[in-house]
Amino acid sequence: EIVLTQSPGTLSLSPGERATLSCRASQSVSSSYLAWYQQKPGQPPRLLLYGASSRATGIPDRFSGSGSGTDFTLTISRLEPEDFAVYYCQQYGSSPITFGQGTRLEIQ
Amino acid sequence: QVQLQESGPGLVKPSETLSLTCSVSGASIRSYYWTWIRQPPGKGLEWIAYMYYIGVTNYNPSLKSRVTISVDTSMNQFSLQLSSVTAADTAIYYCAAASNGYLIYWGQGTLITVSS
Repeated sequence: EIVLTQSPGTLSLSPGERATLSCRASQSVSSSYLAWYQQKPGQPPRLLLYGASSRATGIPDRFSGSGSGTDFTLTISRLEPEDFAVYYCQQYGSSPITFGQGTRLEIQ
Repeated sequence: QVQLQESGPGLVKPSETLSLTCSVSGASIRSYYWTWIRQPPGKGLEWIAYMYYIGVTNYNPSLKSRVTISVDTSMNQFSLQLSSVTAADTAIYYCAAASNGYLIYWGQGTLITVSS
C-alpha cells in the first residue's frame, strides 16, 4: 500500500500570499496518477487536479500541481478567502487507492 | 449536471450490517467507476471500494472481508453493504463517480453512527 504523507499539517497564510503544499509517497506513484482535493467544513471534497497537474473543470488557474515519482506539490499562486480549507492528495495508480492525511490551510 | 445522493439508516447497531444506496442522476450508471469513500468525524478520507457496471470490482483489503458493492443499472443506482459493524465504522459515507481512479463527482455524504 502506498502511504501518502502531506506537509505541513497546518499552513497559516494571508489572502494574496502563495501557498505550497507537499505530498510525498512511500513508493513511486505510477504515471503520475495523483489527484488533489479541497474540502470545506460540512461539504464533500472537490476535485482540483488529476494526473498531478491537470486542472479539473471549473478550477481557477491559480491552482497548479507539479511533481512525479514520490514528490508532488500543490501550489495556490495567490490565496483568495475561499481557498482556506483542508487539502488532500490521493494516489490512484496502485491498489488500494490511498489518501494523504490532509493539510489545513488557515487564515493567518 | 451529475448528481449523487446517498441514502441510509443513520444509526446501525454493533454487529449488524450497514446498507447504503447512492442514486445517480445526470449520468448513466455505465459511464463511471462507482466508488464509496468514508470519513470518520474530524478525520481523513478512506477509500472503501469501486465497481464498474460490467462487474469489475476493487476493494480496500482492510475492509474486503466485510464489504459488498453492487450496481443496479435499471435503477441507475449503486449500493454498499458493510457487515459486522463496530464503533470504528462510524463515519460520513460518500458515494462518488470516478474516472481512471480520480473522483470527479461526489454525493453530499451521509453520517452513519454505530451504536447500541
